[in-house]
Amino acid sequence: DAGITQSPRHKVTETGTPVTLRCHQTENHRYMYWYRQDPGHGLRLIHYSYGVKDTDKGEVSDGYSVSRSKTEDFLLTLESATSSQTSVYFCAAYSGNTIYFGEGSWLTVV
Amino acid sequence: QKEVEQNSGPLSVPEGAIASLNCTYSDRGSQSFFWYRQYSGKSPELIMFIYSNGDKEDGRFTAQLNKASQYVSLLIRDSQPSDSATYLCAVLYGQNFVFGPGTRLSVLP
Repeated sequence: DAGITQSPRHKVTETGTPVTLRCHQTENHRYMYWYRQDPGHGLRLIHYSYGVKDTDKGEVSDGYSVSRSKTEDFLLTLESATSSQTSVYFCAAYSGNTIYFGEGSWLTVV
Repeated sequence: QKEVEQNSGPLSVPEGAIASLNCTYSDRGSQSFFWYRQYSGKSPELIMFIYSNGDKEDGRFTAQLNKASQYVSLLIRDSQPSDSATYLCAVLYGQNFVFGPGTRLSVLP
């Protein structure tokens, strides 16, 4: 456990609405990540951050944006949710040479 | 494109047997390799990591790394029904982790 909490844990939203998922960590981790996990694809990196206001794109960043205004919070925003963004989203932090995950956020876009 | 490949399974073994999970990776520059276990509906949790060629043992788990063949494996001895889960191989590239799709393991009582 690396002190990572995600909110909301479960959300159902409508197509076209913006959605923000929050990742909060309490252990001053510098590197943080957002992944999505889908059957047959495993974990795929959406965006990552290497410090406050320093973020970069991962392999599946289209339709997503992130912000990190404080070390402890890393926000993932779906600008206009689509059904293809129905997924489980995991936040993670890099600590002690490995990566630790939050509990996940289950998002359904209808 | 850095890739990590795993057999998706499912791999079924009887209780008490050895389960062998395999992973290959595409980038010879990789230095750090990890195995995660993920139960259904839960987040991945670290089992062990390996950096050097050869074997690394931790309880019932042994990770094996062969950098020349770009191959890393996980052996689970005396498999238990509680080991039934999806096992994810991950490779560290710089500060980013690339995950394989996972192998689903089923240990039959």
